[in-house]
Amino acid sequence: ETGVTQSPTHLIKTRGQQVTLRCSSQSGHNTVSWYQQALGQGPQFIFQYYREEENGRGNFPPRFSGLQFPNYSSELNVNALELDDSALYLCAYSGNTIYFGEGSWLTVV
Amino acid sequence: GQNIDQPTEMTATEGAIVQINCTYQTSGFNGLFWYQQHAGEAPTFLSYNVLDGLEEKGRFSSFLSRSKGYSYLLLKELQMKDSASYLCAVRDPGNDYKLSFGAGTTVTVRA
Repeated sequence: ETGVTQSPTHLIKTRGQQVTLRCSSQSGHNTVSWYQQALGQGPQFIFQYYREEENGRGNFPPRFSGLQFPNYSSELNVNALELDDSALYLCAYSGNTIYFGEGSWLTVV
Repeated sequence: GQNIDQPTEMTATEGAIVQINCTYQTSGFNGLFWYQQHAGEAPTFLSYNVLDGLEEKGRFSSFLSRSKGYSYLLLKELQMKDSASYLCAVRDPGNDYKLSFGAGTTVTVRA
């Protein structure tokens, strides 16, 4: 039990649609990061948010965007979905270590 | 950039010991993590090494050699529930919240 909650747990979208994934932490840590994990691969860093501002980004196109709210919860938005966006999306908060939520499984058809 | 290598698959017998190696080539070093990930689930934290040496935590131990860019995760007294993917991840020197992961090692424990 990491205290990091993500929703939804599973969803199916059609190519070209948009999706919003949500994440929150019980601990109140002010930095959240998002990762994409394709099948058979390790997670890839998408970006992170600190005090409601993006302050680090991996090699992902601008159609991947995010928000962080005053209570430090966060959203990941993906526009113009592509088949290759099908993956497990993980958010993480850092305390003594880096804890991941249970993830959101996105399937794009 | 970060380059992290670990074997793709390993198989061992229940009760045995397995050692999963991880080598990394990174620009700077800020700590190395090991995570366990069961199929269909999110990664769960196992260990964190920032200094050279062995960290022991129950049946699991992790070793780090910064000069060699090398770490291993040692799983002792293997149980069937240890069948999972094990991910090695290096923390970015300039960003404590950014991890670069290897592709993971799938460990299969046989009876």
